[in-house]
Amino acid sequence: AQSVAQPEDQVNVAEGNPLTVKCTYSVSGNPYLFWYVQYPNRGLQFLLKYITGDNLVKGSYGFEAEFNKSQTSFHLKKPSALVSDSALYFCAVRGQYNFNKFYFGSGTKLNVKP
Amino acid sequence: DVKVTQSSRYLVKRTGEKVFLECVQDMDHENMFWYRQDPGLGLRLIYFSYDVKMKEKGDIPEGYSVSREKKERFSLILESASTNQTSMYLCASSFERGRLSYGYTFGSGTRLTVV
Repeated sequence: AQSVAQPEDQVNVAEGNPLTVKCTYSVSGNPYLFWYVQYPNRGLQFLLKYITGDNLVKGSYGFEAEFNKSQTSFHLKKPSALVSDSALYFCAVRGQYNFNKFYFGSGTKLNVKP
Repeated sequence: DVKVTQSSRYLVKRTGEKVFLECVQDMDHENMFWYRQDPGLGLRLIYFSYDVKMKEKGDIPEGYSVSREKKERFSLILESASTNQTSMYLCASSFERGRLSYGYTFGSGTRLTVV
């Protein structure tokens, strides 16, 4: 079975501090991994993806994510958080053989305090 | 930029009504999806479609149907709306060629309230 887990419902961080939003996955074959961000009353916006290649992936708005195959994780990171980063973040995975269909985590609410 | 447009941002419907949620994408994407989003449950797939007139059930299809008569349009139908279908509905489209997965492009969502 394919699944995504985001173990933290909420992450609180002070502006200027580094942030990490955690994601682990279970999938058949090689994973295709994505992070999306959702601002209030909006759809999801693409942040970054890992398909193959370097384990550290850089994306929009200064975010990056590290793929760790042995730990089946794809944690989202940013070196210095901004108040404007406050939003809901979703991790998503697609299996190599499960064409087209993505599985989403339950989401993590990021609160960045000034 | 790819645009996925959902016809309504907010809808209020009565129990038992037939409800249509419309989604249109403008980039000739083959794949289209309907999800519902509920707090603590993340996104759950209702139906998806690989091509015109093709549809497949997702994880929670009960109480819903879909229609894809044209490539750019994917409609979600609530046959007889119930209060437990109050939710945020998200439409998405995607284009994939082997390992060239570009992920989804989402619409802005329709917040449906059934009273």
